[in-house]
Amino acid sequence: GAGVSQSPRYKVTKRGQDVALRCDPISGHVSLYWYRQALGQGPEFLTYFNYEAQQDKSGLPNDRFSAERPEGSISTLTIQRTEQRDSAMYRCASSRRENNEKLFFGSGTQLSVL
Amino acid sequence: GIQVEQSPPDLILQEGANSTLRCNFSDSVNNLQWFHQNPWGQLINLFYIPSGTKQNGRLSATTVATERYSLLYISSSQTTDSGVYFCAVESTGNQFYFGTGTSLTVIP
Repeated sequence: GAGVSQSPRYKVTKRGQDVALRCDPISGHVSLYWYRQALGQGPEFLTYFNYEAQQDKSGLPNDRFSAERPEGSISTLTIQRTEQRDSAMYRCASSRRENNEKLFFGSGTQLSVL
Repeated sequence: GIQVEQSPPDLILQEGANSTLRCNFSDSVNNLQWFHQNPWGQLINLFYIPSGTKQNGRLSATTVATERYSLLYISSSQTTDSGVYFCAVESTGNQFYFGTGTSLTVIP
């Protein structure tokens, strides 16, 4: 696609429910990143992929968070048993090549856990 | 991880004024990028600048990697420049670390 696409744009869920956030990177981009941004803060790294391989998941807060990119294109970030502290903007970015080319961000998914 | 400090935290300018935003980082970096988060929340890449100077219209950026800082210059500011400017750096491990940003408001 022309840009990084994320869906849904907004997600409201009840505590304890599972949510899946989708990211469709720019066509042909090798690397895909997930970030989380709290209000008034800069984005915080969660995990990233080169092609379908998850290279680094050290930023995932706990084992309720997981991500996949099975065919090296679309990625899904899943949060199980959501908690109120998970509320934030979740951003996806892609870059053309490995080793940190220019990052292009999607519009994000605003997650609210009630 | 690497520490990224941005200054000033907040800036209010009259339309037409110039400004300089600063990003200091605590370790050597392989990659540095500047982003603009507009009032609608979109995060736009302005510059990929691990070293040297680049210009794009009214914006320019300079990174002095040996002294661990980068500067973003905005000339003849416009109301559409309002938003939050983030600096992001990558040292090792392919993680980008973002600063807390500079919030810019341009008044007509």
